[in-house]
Amino acid sequence: EDKVVQSPLSLVVHEGDTVTLNCSYEVTNFRSLLWYKQEKKAPTFLFMLTSSGIEKKSGRLSSILDKKELFSILNITATQTGDSAIYLCAAAGNTPLVFGKGTRLSVIA
Amino acid sequence: DTAVSQTPKYLVTQMGNDKSIKCEQNLGHDTMYWYKQDSKKFLKIMFSYNNKELIINETVPNRFSPKSPDKAHLNLHINSLELGDSAVYFCASSPYGALGNTIYFGEGSWLTVV
Repeated sequence: EDKVVQSPLSLVVHEGDTVTLNCSYEVTNFRSLLWYKQEKKAPTFLFMLTSSGIEKKSGRLSSILDKKELFSILNITATQTGDSAIYLCAAAGNTPLVFGKGTRLSVIA
Repeated sequence: DTAVSQTPKYLVTQMGNDKSIKCEQNLGHDTMYWYKQDSKKFLKIMFSYNNKELIINETVPNRFSPKSPDKAHLNLHINSLELGDSAVYFCASSPYGALGNTIYFGEGSWLTVV
């Protein structure tokens, strides 16, 4: 059965800290890995990764995929209170996105 | 303009009732989905339609019936609601050949069964 596992499940940091969120996956005919940020409403898209070793960046967020070891990380540098959210990792294979349970990030001032 | 819109946003109803949630997307996508998010924020796919045709039907009670009148709409009808149906239901869409493509979510419909 396809599965995606995220760690840690929750994390509390202070503003300015750097965090790394982990995502491992087992998906038949893997095609891509996606990261979403979920605040109060729907998940909003952050990154889609299809190739190993190529870092994607958007401001203070970056992500990289390792297709050999079947994992991805999401880094957030210089965290701000607005980064507080649930970060969802999802993998696409034979079926549409299989989601992990998310990492709940709380950034305190 | 909202790309994927769902109605109602909030719904409180009694056990045993029948209710529907509507979804529309204006992105021109061919594929639409229903996901259920439980109280622990775990998102799980329920159904997927491609151009009005059902392509994914996960293990979901047959009280749940999706209906796609056209490729821009995918409605979810739930019969005989149970307490365990309380959750947030997300509609989503993606371009054809969705596997591996970005899926765009609606804002969710918060269903509470009392």
